[in-house]
Amino acid sequence: DSGVTQTPKHLITATGQRVTLRCSPRSGDLSVYWYQQSLDQGLQFLIQYYNGEERAKGNILERFSAQQFPDLHSELNLSSLELGDSALYFCASSLLAGANEKLFFGSGTQLSVL
Amino acid sequence: GENVEQHPSTLSVQEGDSAVIKCTYSDSASNYFPWYKQELGKRPQLIIDIRSNVGEKKDQRIAVTLNKTAKHFSLHITETQPEDSAVYFCAASRGNTGNQFYFGTGTSLTVIP
Repeated sequence: DSGVTQTPKHLITATGQRVTLRCSPRSGDLSVYWYQQSLDQGLQFLIQYYNGEERAKGNILERFSAQQFPDLHSELNLSSLELGDSALYFCASSLLAGANEKLFFGSGTQLSVL
Repeated sequence: GENVEQHPSTLSVQEGDSAVIKCTYSDSASNYFPWYKQELGKRPQLIIDIRSNVGEKKDQRIAVTLNKTAKHFSLHITETQPEDSAVYFCAASRGNTGNQFYFGTGTSLTVIP
């Protein structure tokens, strides 16, 4: 167990809908990252938050947004869902946001858009 | 931005043989190179990492080598066992503008008993 908690584990929804994925980082970790893993694909970096503020942005669609709350948990909001958004979404956390931080991954949320 | 390429995409070895996975990166400012193992249906887990001031690091049956000049790094697994079967991801990070990790596309390793 990495200590990173993601909910829900599975999510099935329809095109056009909006969903929220939740992540609680390891105790003491200030930085949270979101990754998307599609079938047979690698890990695509979406966005990083550090101590409540956006720190880095990757290939995140405009339909997606995220935030990190004062208690350091994070939520990833996916709206106007399309079939291609079906993927495994991972949250990861690290102690700080500096160089060479080790990432610890949650178990992921499997999103299926039908 | 950084581009990490990983080869091969699939690899099958006999139990007891060695496995080597190679990655190249494009950003010379990258200075941290972790490797993650992802078993089927599970989360990626860090198995070994190397920093740019080190050329090689070993942890029991796994080792990682880094060639900064050529911008490539490799994962070596010796005496492979069936439980080594998984997808392995390499990554590169420079960490100075947020801690973006750029991952390779993964190598599916199968160890045949």
